[in-house]
Amino acid sequence: QKEVEQDPGPLSVPEGAIVSLNCTYSNSAFQYFMWYRQYSRKGPELLMYTYSSGNKEDGRFTAQVDKSSKYISLFIRDSQPSDSATYLCAMRSISSGSARQLTFGSGTQLTVLP
Amino acid sequence: EAGVVQSPRYKIIEKKQPVAFWCNPISGHNTLYWYLQNLGQGPELLIRYENEEAVDDSQLPKDRFSAERLKGVDSTLKIQPAELGDSAVYLCASSLDTLDEQFFGPGTRLTVL
Repeated sequence: QKEVEQDPGPLSVPEGAIVSLNCTYSNSAFQYFMWYRQYSRKGPELLMYTYSSGNKEDGRFTAQVDKSSKYISLFIRDSQPSDSATYLCAMRSISSGSARQLTFGSGTQLTVLP
Repeated sequence: EAGVVQSPRYKIIEKKQPVAFWCNPISGHNTLYWYLQNLGQGPELLIRYENEEAVDDSQLPKDRFSAERLKGVDSTLKIQPAELGDSAVYLCASSLDTLDEQFFGPGTRLTVL
């Protein structure tokens, strides 16, 4: 079983819809949680960054972390065709050495239809 | 400011041939990463450098893969000999320090025939 599980989709929604993307994880040492967006034939770019549990909002994007359930979510409001991309969750612990490395989910491919 | 630069963007080789990828990180970034991304998967760390020192190479297949970061700036990742299963995207990333945001390059898409 992978440390981080993410539904690969693909997910297709109409423009303006609310999108919910999720990841579950098994390593209780993870403290930092990130969402990356990756357009086709590009490298991932950091979208949201959350430490420990709670919510964080940035424009149309909201990241939620529930450490008790080992579950993180990314919500996209008023989705736009330009949001069409693969969304990767990533997480890491605060320990030293190799434990600092990011562990990525497999990504969810999202298409927003105009 | 220029982002992480990688070359070549695409490479097609026959199995058993050698191949090398080059990465130029963002200026001033001390930490450099090489990741492997298979189709439909997230990136997996191969090696992490802090300046010119490889501090985490536990997932680098050392029988065929090698990497170097001379002078703590540019880095090269080499595969010799390449195998069919090495077909993937090789991503380079850099950050100011280990705990800082990682900035990714566009990747090199390798196809081994």
